[in-house]
Amino acid sequence: AQSVTQLGSHVSVSEGALVLLRCNYSSSVPPYLFWYVQYPNQGLQLLLKYTTGATLVKGINGFEAEFKKSETSFHLTKPSAHMSDAAEYFCAVSDGSGNTGKLIFGQGTTLQVKP
Amino acid sequence: GAVVSQHPSRVICKSGTSVKIECRSLDFQATTMFWYRQFPKKSLMLMATSNEGSKATYEQGVEKDKFLINHASLTLSTLTVTSAHPEDSSFYICSARGTGYYGYTFGSGTRLTVV
Repeated sequence: AQSVTQLGSHVSVSEGALVLLRCNYSSSVPPYLFWYVQYPNQGLQLLLKYTTGATLVKGINGFEAEFKKSETSFHLTKPSAHMSDAAEYFCAVSDGSGNTGKLIFGQGTTLQVKP
Repeated sequence: GAVVSQHPSRVICKSGTSVKIECRSLDFQATTMFWYRQFPKKSLMLMATSNEGSKATYEQGVEKDKFLINHASLTLSTLTVTSAHPEDSSFYICSARGTGYYGYTFGSGTRLTVV
């Protein structure tokens, strides 16, 4: 079974500061990992994903994440926060190309950006 | 890019009635569809997985007779909430996977309110 834990349900940063959202996963098979952003009453938008290959993944809007197998982590970072980054962020894991491919989500982290 | 259209975006229904939510893949063939439920300020809970032409597989604890899922074609999947009650009020989101690429495309979600 797979699972995702997002450390910190609420993160607050100042505009221009570093954003770090933490995600740890558990998977019995090589995982595919994703970060999504959700704005109120909207669906999910993919920020970035890791499947295979390079462990540092760059996504949209200046976000990036690094897959660290030894730490079972996939933390999301952005060097400088913008007010528009305030939203709900979800880390998710799937079982890759095998089995069901179900996407399992973490609990979510609310990012607040202060002016 | 891949687009999934979900309708309606909002629906209010009376207790005891049924509501149908549609998800259409507009520019790809959705071989697998996932249906999620999201409670306020909570993560996405996977309800069921459906493959085109097959019966849906429901997650543990999800009532398959209440949440009817049909995936009769490669471009359309529907979720019908039967005999809806106020506790069924929630945000429902679909997600589709297609052949030829690995990714999950999400609909924009449906806000269901049962009064």
